[in-house]
Amino acid sequence: QQQVKQSPQSLIVQKGGISIINCAYENTAFDYFPWYQQFPGKGPALLIAIRPDVSEKKEGRFTISFNKSAKQFSLHIMDSQPGDSATYFCAAVADFGNEKLTFGTGTRLTIIP
Amino acid sequence: DSGVTQTPKHLITATGQRVTLRCSPRSGDLSVYWYQQSLDQGLQFLIQYYNGEERAKGNILERFSAQQFPDLHSELNLSSLELGDSALYFCASSVAASGRDTQYFGPGTRLTVL
Repeated sequence: QQQVKQSPQSLIVQKGGISIINCAYENTAFDYFPWYQQFPGKGPALLIAIRPDVSEKKEGRFTISFNKSAKQFSLHIMDSQPGDSATYFCAAVADFGNEKLTFGTGTRLTIIP
Repeated sequence: DSGVTQTPKHLITATGQRVTLRCSPRSGDLSVYWYQQSLDQGLQFLIQYYNGEERAKGNILERFSAQQFPDLHSELNLSSLELGDSALYFCASSVAASGRDTQYFGPGTRLTVL
């Protein structure tokens, strides 16, 4: 059972455009939502994270938008660059018990010139 | 470079065999996590150790086992290997035990079972 649903599976965006990746969850115990970026041949690396007490978090060109009532969150990459081409994973952590990272299925992002 | 090292980088073996994957966490990190990444299942959490003790368990098969040693390095043992075990296995480490601590991933071990 996939507890964090991620879409789209793949995404092609023109250089300079906005890349948007969406995630949705069911478990209301989730209270921490990180995004990981993975380049080919490398392990995932933390990109940005948000807690549900804020609706938006911005770090440079990367922004997480969070909608607690809809149980959805999304990653926006502004002014997308070829160097942003990677696989992006959203994830979620519950606030008690087994605090494991539950990952989405990943989005392969390709930025074309 | 995350500071997490994994060996070997690639491993090719046959069905029914047993292999051991090794992970050295970042200096100062007490938690080690193991993940399996396959094309159809994405990143699946297997198990977490914190300061030598098992802390959390995920979708780890009974044929798989892990441990964390006093020097904090960890090993993941996979036995009675099946074709479906072919995947990338990642180790990650974090300073403490909380799921909110940043996890630093190693480069992974690619396991191919023939």
